[in-house]
Amino acid sequence: NAGVTQTPKFRILKIGQSMTLQCAQDMNHNYMYWYRQDPGMGLKLIYYSVGAGITDKGEVPNGYNVSRSTTEDFPLRLELAAPSQTSVYFCASSYAGYNEQFFGPGTRLTVL
Amino acid sequence: GENVEQHPSTLSVQEGDSAVIKCTYSDSASNYFPWYKQELGKRPQLIIDIRSNVGEKKDQRIAVTLNKTAKHFSLHITETQPEDSAVYFCAASIRVTGGGNKLTFGTGTQLKVEL
Repeated sequence: NAGVTQTPKFRILKIGQSMTLQCAQDMNHNYMYWYRQDPGMGLKLIYYSVGAGITDKGEVPNGYNVSRSTTEDFPLRLELAAPSQTSVYFCASSYAGYNEQFFGPGTRLTVL
Repeated sequence: GENVEQHPSTLSVQEGDSAVIKCTYSDSASNYFPWYKQELGKRPQLIIDIRSNVGEKKDQRIAVTLNKTAKHFSLHITETQPEDSAVYFCAASIRVTGGGNKLTFGTGTQLKVEL
């Protein structure tokens, strides 16, 4: 199993550009999550999904959108990128809500 | 919403000593408390977790204690080794509408184990 994979690893965006961060898992996990981690800080939940077609907001959803059309994929869309969105983005998945969350390797995003 | 506070922000110990990291949470509905280790430039990895119906859990040199009444939980690492040097995050989880759960993370503790 590849576990949780994320692409790209690094990206530099200009203010106002848009992009999609890709996340996929091959563990047949129902739950998937997107977090952002600012330098020297903990992780903050952006969005999560409890299954295909079901998503909900986390702590910091503004400026982001998600979709979950399949069990495996959970892309995160940034519209109109802003410098405040400069961060490391981690995707995670778990079998159920209270089970271990497995994290992907992260995407380091810089908005200039 | 849930608020998780973590202390200390940095901790330096001598190899072989014990390290203790403490967290408090605000929402009494939280019932799952994982601890993650994150090495520089790497992803967080679960090292131990505890559910609210358990007061203590141990795995070799790592233990976690939970005091539901006081709403705090702690990570204990004994016989520390240089490879224990990393940032450690606590988290608290509450169930939300629809069957999902949300993890709220603390701000992390940078542990440095010195030779």
